[in-house]
Amino acid sequence: TQLLEQSPQFLSIQEGENLTVYCNSSSVFSSLQWYRQEPGEGPVLLVTVVTGGEVKKLKRLTFQFGDARKDSSLHITAAQPGDTGLYLCAGAVGNAGNMLTFGGGTRLMVKP
Amino acid sequence: NAGVTQTPKFRVLKTGQSMTLLCAQDMNHEYMYWYRQDPGMGLRLIHYSVGEGTTAKGEVPDGYNVSRLKKQNFLLGLESAAPSQTSVYFCASSYHNPDTQYFGPGTRLTVL
Repeated sequence: TQLLEQSPQFLSIQEGENLTVYCNSSSVFSSLQWYRQEPGEGPVLLVTVVTGGEVKKLKRLTFQFGDARKDSSLHITAAQPGDTGLYLCAGAVGNAGNMLTFGGGTRLMVKP
Repeated sequence: NAGVTQTPKFRVLKTGQSMTLLCAQDMNHEYMYWYRQDPGMGLRLIHYSVGEGTTAKGEVPDGYNVSRLKKQNFLLGLESAAPSQTSVYFCASSYHNPDTQYFGPGTRLTVL
């Protein structure tokens, strides 16, 4: 059982649609990061959220950290083919030396 | 800056063979990490280092050894490869922890 559960695992949508990806846990995180990974490459950081209830926007991407700092969501508005990739959430747990624990990922495909 | 580089990019081993994966970073980061990525499992931490000359076990350390003799390099060794070690291996580095982790392009390892 993974510490961080991401849903859905796979998502295939048409260009212009909206979508939300969820990252849930029973653990409290000191911070949570979202990464995006393209095929054949390493993950690249999109955002870090630290405060419970925090909302951050990155162009068409909106990230939210749950009030209890146990969950997070990523919402993409008007998805584009360039958004295609693997989205990973990663939480830092204070009593684990702040090492990151990654979720299983959501593989997004946006069709033109 | 090259960022984080990994060698080799691909490798095929037979069961029982040994090999070393090399990770190098030119950002003067203190922290370095080795992860493995398997389908649906996200990234799992194998070993990490909080500075030159230090190493520590992560979530899945069995069957692997590491060394950090120089600040810029982090080596991952497999002494006797097993088919269960077939995976994509990523190295990452960061200045602080938790902090933005910068990932290399990965090494795809197949153990037959």
